[in-house]
Amino acid sequence: KQEVTQIPAALSVPEGENLVLNCSFTDSAIYNLQWFRQDPGKGLTSLLLIQSSQREQTSGRLNASLDKSSGRSTLYIAASQPGDSATYLCAVKKDSSYKLIFGSGTRLLVRP
Amino acid sequence: GAGVSQSPRYKVAKRGQDVALRCDPISGHVSLFWYQQALGQGPEFLTYFQNEAQLDKSGLPSDRFFAERPEGSVSTLKIQRTQQEDSAVYLCASSIRQAEAFFGQGTRLTVV
Repeated sequence: KQEVTQIPAALSVPEGENLVLNCSFTDSAIYNLQWFRQDPGKGLTSLLLIQSSQREQTSGRLNASLDKSSGRSTLYIAASQPGDSATYLCAVKKDSSYKLIFGSGTRLLVRP
Repeated sequence: GAGVSQSPRYKVAKRGQDVALRCDPISGHVSLFWYQQALGQGPEFLTYFQNEAQLDKSGLPSDRFFAERPEGSVSTLKIQRTQQEDSAVYLCASSIRQAEAFFGQGTRLTVV
């Protein structure tokens, strides 16, 4: 059974810092991996989607990497801003299933 | 509309009451998913539709939960005889086949 773990569960950093959020999964047979942002009381906003054949994706200050063999993905946020404060979730989609399996998320607070 | 729309945004139900949650997916999106998100946790898969066909309902926690998508567009998640443990945010997502999933704002259900 696929399990997704995110570390740390919570993170507080001063504005301007570069930071890394970690996601690990137990079954390397994935179709893709997606990073989401969730603001309090809101739905999920897709940030980056990495197909299983890709190693990384970039969007603005965000960079996500994928290492299938080790079952790991990282989300790198450069020059963090208070507006980046939110919960970040990673989710994997298996080859034979259409559903996303989520981690519990990392709650990020960027202090002004 | 441009995104996935869910209604109501908030629902308070007395224990034992039946509730119905609605999801309007992005026009043309074949795939529709329902997820349940408990406080402080990542979303967990409930059920999946491809057009009007319910292809996977393995995540529905009990036979009190029922979902339908009769015309392949709008979907309704119905919960009968609600219990306190049903309190959660219910998220709907749609996508084109196995592409990127887009989520709605969710319905926060509180059972009192």
